[in-house]
Amino acid sequence: GENVEQHPSTLSVQEGDSAVIKCTYSDSASNYFPWYKQELGKRPQLIIDIRSNVGEKKDQRIAVTLNKTAKHFSLHITETQPEDSAVYFCAAYSGGYQKVTFGTGTKLQVIP
Amino acid sequence: EAGVAQSPRYKIIEKRQSVAFWCNPISGHATLYWYQQILGQGPKLLIQFQNNGVVDDSQLPKDRFSAERLKGVDSTLKIQPAKLEDSAVYLCASSLRRATDYEQYFGPGTRLTVT
Repeated sequence: GENVEQHPSTLSVQEGDSAVIKCTYSDSASNYFPWYKQELGKRPQLIIDIRSNVGEKKDQRIAVTLNKTAKHFSLHITETQPEDSAVYFCAAYSGGYQKVTFGTGTKLQVIP
Repeated sequence: EAGVAQSPRYKIIEKRQSVAFWCNPISGHATLYWYQQILGQGPKLLIQFQNNGVVDDSQLPKDRFSAERLKGVDSTLKIQPAKLEDSAVYLCASSLRRATDYEQYFGPGTRLTVT
């Protein structure tokens, strides 16, 4: 089955700096890669996603890049703000029934 | 539109007792997921339904966990008997799963504490 590894597990940045979180996956047939943000005590919410036929996608301060050859995808947050502090999860969908596997999460702390 | 509903929100039971969780997905969503999220970890998929059929239950501890989705709408997840390590938040999510829309919408979760 699919295996998704996520790094780093914790990340502290100064407000205004950039943050990058990377995930690697094992199943070359995976074709959809979402990123979720989960604030303390709340449910995960989709912040950005990318499909396997696209190399990069951007939405304001958030971008995701995909390298299918290396089987990794990354979340980039620019001009970080304190409200970006949360746990971020990547996920990969694979197979005919689109089974989903989540990464282990990255706790991002933005220091004012 | 209404979101994914779950109940109860909190449950405390003793080990070896039984517990059931209920989920009502967003209307029209064909796919329903149950996840177990242990504190500090990512959501772990327990079972995935497509309408009322099971697509994936490879990580469901079938000796104690069971789930069903009646008429392809509501779903229940049951644990019998519970163990201490079952303490976690149980998240239900649903999605349309059309070719252009895979986004999962999560419910608020049920926090289970097993003592």
